[in-house]
Amino acid sequence: DIQMTQSPSSVSASVGDRVTIACRASQPIRNWFAWYQQKPGKAPILIYAASSLQSGVPSRFSGSGSGTDFTLTISGLQPEDFATYYCQQAHTFPLTFGGGTKVEIK
Amino acid sequence: QVQLVESGGGVVQPGRSLRLSCAASGFTFSNYAIYWVRQAPGKGLEWVAVISYDGSNKYYADSVKGRFTISRDNSKNTLYLQMDSLRAEDTAVYHCARDMNPGSASYYVGHWGQGTLVTVSS
Repeated sequence: DIQMTQSPSSVSASVGDRVTIACRASQPIRNWFAWYQQKPGKAPILIYAASSLQSGVPSRFSGSGSGTDFTLTISGLQPEDFATYYCQQAHTFPLTFGGGTKVEIK
Repeated sequence: QVQLVESGGGVVQPGRSLRLSCAASGFTFSNYAIYWVRQAPGKGLEWVAVISYDGSNKYYADSVKGRFTISRDNSKNTLYLQMDSLRAEDTAVYHCARDMNPGSASYYVGHWGQGTLVTVSS
């Protein structure tokens, strides 16, 4: 199975800050990769194919990377962005998620 | 709008069975691959199974293979998860979720249901 390792597991930040979350795959997955934002009950997709912004997602969210190393950047954190973020590989079954990164208010 | 509503959760003893259902509306159900994704209390997301838009292809996580069966009835816009030989470690909120794209699955989750809680305990 492909292991997805996220870092950090939590981050404290203030409104307006730039936040970066990393995710590493245990083997190359090209750009078969997504980021999700989880709030109670649901986890809408933010980024797919590593860097494509899902329709309706604010442009302050951006994704980059390919192969094994990926990054989610939030440029100008907003109050509604405090949540838990998960990465996911879509390259190989079983599909696997990272362990999550909780973005908390400083 | 897209709606996915799960039902069938509850408390069940280890070794027993349970069937979850997911009623879909707001989109053409028969055009999309559908997933079950679960989240144990205080833990992260775990993919459980996926079924193709026409039901011809099914894939499972190793942790549930041979015990869980995913199926769908496109005439009823409903997805199912038959869970047999349940274990304590299957305790989780089970979410039904739709693929991002119609047709062949992208393996990205586009829409999620609120989930139904399954508790396996004696």
